[in-house]
Amino acid sequence: DAGVTQSPTHLIKTRGQHVTLRCSPISGHKSVSWYQQVLGQGPQFIFQYYEKEERGRGNFPDRFSARQFPNYSSELNVNALLLGDSALYLCASSLGTANTGELFFGEGSRLTVL
Amino acid sequence: GQQVMQIPQYQHVQEGEDFTTYCNSSTTLSNIQWYKQRPGGHPVFLIQLVKSGEVKKQKRLTFQFGEAKKNSSLHITATQTTDVGTYFCAGVSGGYNKLIFGAGTRLAVHP
Repeated sequence: DAGVTQSPTHLIKTRGQHVTLRCSPISGHKSVSWYQQVLGQGPQFIFQYYEKEERGRGNFPDRFSARQFPNYSSELNVNALLLGDSALYLCASSLGTANTGELFFGEGSRLTVL
Repeated sequence: GQQVMQIPQYQHVQEGEDFTTYCNSSTTLSNIQWYKQRPGGHPVFLIQLVKSGEVKKQKRLTFQFGEAKKNSSLHITATQTTDVGTYFCAGVSGGYNKLIFGAGTRLAVHP
């Protein structure tokens, strides 16, 4: 079975641009969470979606948005990119919400903002 | 808001020595999870603890959840070079539907 897949794996953008990152969860998983990981730090929670509804939001500005589709895949959108948005963006899928068990992470999308 | 702190930030050991990382939360946790991230990789789930005072073992790894459910530890006995990586704890507080990660402890093992 395929694990969590994310695309693109690497991308370079310039300040002010917009980016869309995509994630396909493990088959049967209904929850997708998004994390931002800056080099040398722990993953920072951005969003969790379960059954296509937002179930949790971290302390990120409104420039960050996400959605989950009927097939449970998800997109993370970031508008008006800043240099500080450069990071590894991790998607994780799980059977249920945060209280219900392990997260399975994808390999991540590494975003560089110039 | 919910915060999870981990110490030490970095630990450097000789192969065969023991290693311990500690995790403390500012709020009572409903559960705590531990993950390992190898250099250049993504976090991989190790274990979840739910009960107050719970202790679980996986071969050379021992995980504990504090009685007050605000702290946890991971102990590795007789480290091996394959243990190299960053170990993260991550907790969920009641009322917060989000898994919050600590900053991690980076373990270096020298042969």
